[in-house]
Amino acid sequence: GESVGLHLPTLSVQEGDNSIINCAYSNSASDYFIWYKQESGKGPQFIIDIRSNMDKRQGQRVTVLLNKTVKHLSLQIAATQPGDSAVYFCAENSGYSTLTFGKGTMLLVSP
Amino acid sequence: NAGVTQTPKFQVLKTGQSMTLQCAQDMNHNSMYWYRQDPGMGLRLIYYSASEGTTDKGEVPNGYNVSRLNKREFSLRLESAAPSQTSVYFCASSRTSGINEQFFGPGTRLTVL
Repeated sequence: GESVGLHLPTLSVQEGDNSIINCAYSNSASDYFIWYKQESGKGPQFIIDIRSNMDKRQGQRVTVLLNKTVKHLSLQIAATQPGDSAVYFCAENSGYSTLTFGKGTMLLVSP
Repeated sequence: NAGVTQTPKFQVLKTGQSMTLQCAQDMNHNSMYWYRQDPGMGLRLIYYSASEGTTDKGEVPNGYNVSRLNKREFSLRLESAAPSQTSVYFCASSRTSGINEQFFGPGTRLTVL
């Protein structure tokens, strides 16, 4: 599989636990944020997004929280499953035509 | 719908060789992107095309060229490959540029010896 996990921050959890993955962004002008999941050997896959006029958005088993005061984004995964094991990336749009991606966090889920 | 497709899946080149990575999308998206991904570095934008007929440099454009052949296809060319270009390359597309989800292809793993 891909070696994208080298040198990444890693979060290890037990199956059934809730997971929280954090992301700090640098540009206070960013107005759109997105979380991606990347499994080994595959391309990134969209999880959830949020615009800057919101503080919280929920999806299926996932919640994204946005704290603009401290420029912090988090992804909460409820009842984590082994299939959630992957690298998770946050990305931001700061008013230009593109997204800027963070370096990623590896989530390891033990059965 | 196949989404975003990339060819080839794997490629080994010798230093100085050239090659073109192909990308196509069938979602009628206006914007397309090329990224490279290195261990611990996340995704870095090489070039993008906000709409058919336009291309712009991203964060790491040196050593690459792109062609937006039509609305569906966006190719990435390495004219003279270098070992520093060993990486995994991802193509992505979105409905429009900026505040929009990008859909990614499966990637091309390139090794330059």
